[in-house]
Amino acid sequence: GQNIDQPTEMTATEGAIVQINCTYQTSGFNGLFWYQQHAGEAPTFLSYNVLDGLEEKGRFSSFLSRSKGYSYLLLKELQMKDSASYLCAPRGGFKTIFGAGTRLFVKA
Amino acid sequence: EPEVTQTPSHQVTQMGQEVILRCVPISNHLYFYWYRQILGQKVEFLVSFYNNEISEKSEIFDDQFSVERPDGSNFTLKIRSTKLEDSAMYFCASSERPGQGGETQYFGPGTRLLVL
Repeated sequence: GQNIDQPTEMTATEGAIVQINCTYQTSGFNGLFWYQQHAGEAPTFLSYNVLDGLEEKGRFSSFLSRSKGYSYLLLKELQMKDSASYLCAPRGGFKTIFGAGTRLFVKA
Repeated sequence: EPEVTQTPSHQVTQMGQEVILRCVPISNHLYFYWYRQILGQKVEFLVSFYNNEISEKSEIFDDQFSVERPDGSNFTLKIRSTKLEDSAMYFCASSERPGQGGETQYFGPGTRLLVL
């Protein structure tokens, strides 16, 4: 079966660092996406990990451990505009399955 | 910057009617996808499409759904006989190719479908 677990909600303070974890079980695995989605809008691409390890892109970093079925998204220097849902989405073949998302609230 | 476009942005229809949702993927992309998101729920994969045929589909994508690339630019999703539970936001996405860094799926702004 397919299962993706990520926390439902997180709250953090402007300027801080937050880590959003995701564990997954999927049939077939090629890589894992992280997307950001603001309410009422389309998902926007943040990162795609294929190999184990950390990939850094500006204020956002993403980590993958294929053997553990685990990924995290790290957001640094949080800004108010980072308040959004963050979607963990493993890809297998031509199919990408999205988690329910973690709603991040950034407070001043 | 190239982007995926979708029309219409909103569609209201009566139960049992057919709807066609339209998408124009990014021009050099070869892989196309439809997703839906029921209000307050997660994004759900419907179908992927490459080389004029379906690559993979989910259990949601039953006989009521079909996809087509009628010309070199459009990609459509047809729902033959809409049900109340088809009310959702429908997102189209495209990617260059799987592998070699071309896997990133870029999403269109979505079509909000309301079935009455």
